Amino acid sequence: DQQVKQNSPSLSVQEGRISILNCDYTNSMFDYFLWYKKYPAEGPTFLISISSIKDKNEDGRFTVFLNKSAKHLSLHIVPSQPGDSAVYFCAAGSGGYNFNKFYFGSGTKLNVKP
Amino acid sequence: EPEVTQTPSHQVTQMGQEVILRCVPISNHLYFYWYRQILGQKVEFLVSFYNNEISEKSEIFDDQFSVERPDGSNFTLKIRSTKLEDSAMYFCASSEADPPLHFGNGTRLTVT
Repeated sequence: DQQVKQNSPSLSVQEGRISILNCDYTNSMFDYFLWYKKYPAEGPTFLISISSIKDKNEDGRFTVFLNKSAKHLSLHIVPSQPGDSAVYFCAAGSGGYNFNKFYFGSGTKLNVKP
Repeated sequence: EPEVTQTPSHQVTQMGQEVILRCVPISNHLYFYWYRQILGQKVEFLVSFYNNEISEKSEIFDDQFSVERPDGSNFTLKIRSTKLEDSAMYFCASSEADPPLHFGNGTRLTVT
């Protein structure tokens, strides 16, 4: 299942700088996208979402950008903090009102260096 | 903040045995899900449950798997006869009518 791809398995960023995590998808029917953060031994924690009617959504230090024509989304974290070090997953789904099934990327491990 | 709770955190079982993984979703949520993550692989959808019935299931969710909401609070995943390849982290999730899904901390299932 390669419908959602995160091509960078890891990313290292200096504290205070911007972290950019990328995600690509292949299914043009996807119309809702989520970003999750995951620490070891914990479940995924929801960060931010975006629907296909928008191209940007912002929540504090986190901004998600959606480029529908390129089937690409990205998560920007500014400024990055050491506590942001975790694995980040993007997930995509479709189905109109009844969202049931999300496809996850393989994750990007972010390391924010103090 | 309300959270999804899962028990046990780690379950070890022998091949061929039945296991039941338990979840307590967030109380006002309507949709319930099971996902799993085999070590080194993606988080993958197993099943969704709404209004006391399965609303969608993946090809992984074969006759060996079943889900149940036995009362107003618990949501269970049963694997009837476990196989080695069932070893994975199993995540329960719940949501309101719209996303996002809220995940529990998972149950690590080890089949020996």
